[in-house]
Amino acid sequence: DTGVSQNPRHKITKRGQNVTFRCDPISEHNRLYWYRQTLGQGPEFLTYFQNEAQLEKSRLLSDRFSAERPKGSFSTLEIQRTEQGDSAMYLCASSLSTGLYTEAFFGQGTRLTVV
Amino acid sequence: GEDVEQSLFLSVREGDSSVINCTYTDSSSTYLYWYKQEPGAGLQLLTYIFSNMDMKQDQRLTVLLNKKDKHLSLRIADTQTGDSAIYFCAEEAAGNKLTFGGGTRVLVKP
Repeated sequence: DTGVSQNPRHKITKRGQNVTFRCDPISEHNRLYWYRQTLGQGPEFLTYFQNEAQLEKSRLLSDRFSAERPKGSFSTLEIQRTEQGDSAMYLCASSLSTGLYTEAFFGQGTRLTVV
Repeated sequence: GEDVEQSLFLSVREGDSSVINCTYTDSSSTYLYWYKQEPGAGLQLLTYIFSNMDMKQDQRLTVLLNKKDKHLSLRIADTQTGDSAIYFCAEEAAGNKLTFGGGTRVLVKP
């Protein structure tokens, strides 16, 4: 396993278009997280899954955003009707929740530019 | 709401020690973390500290935690040019989700 994989690495889209990003977590990890990072800021939590269940969504996640993890493995994040303010790096992380300390491993991110 | 704060920038000479400071807000955080981000790369976990500890040392890295003041610091001894990066502190909430600070850009000068 080579770690958390995100695709695509870069996406340029026109305002109003829909985009979808994919995250493949480390295979045995049951938790998967999405974060958004804008230029000069730290990552901000968007949502997370435990297996296929979406357990929490940030208020940052507007109705135009939807995330799925259909079989508890890979996850997709879709943004509908993109706006320029959606331009950011979208980071995915995964971890194995054991009730003790767990390390979250981050992917390299998908950089979205909305023009 | 939660707010984790860090100074924006630190310049240090190669071989000197770097100290990066962070204040956090959630006193119930079980773990606090330091991540490193280099250009074009993802976030790399450097170290973490359990909330009932006040110090943790890991090779060149020393983490100090003052729970009373909600203050966390990262000291890098013998700073190298490869340490130039953005450093984020983060506190952990329920579900292991992380709240990050805005990052401290560290520039190491030869």
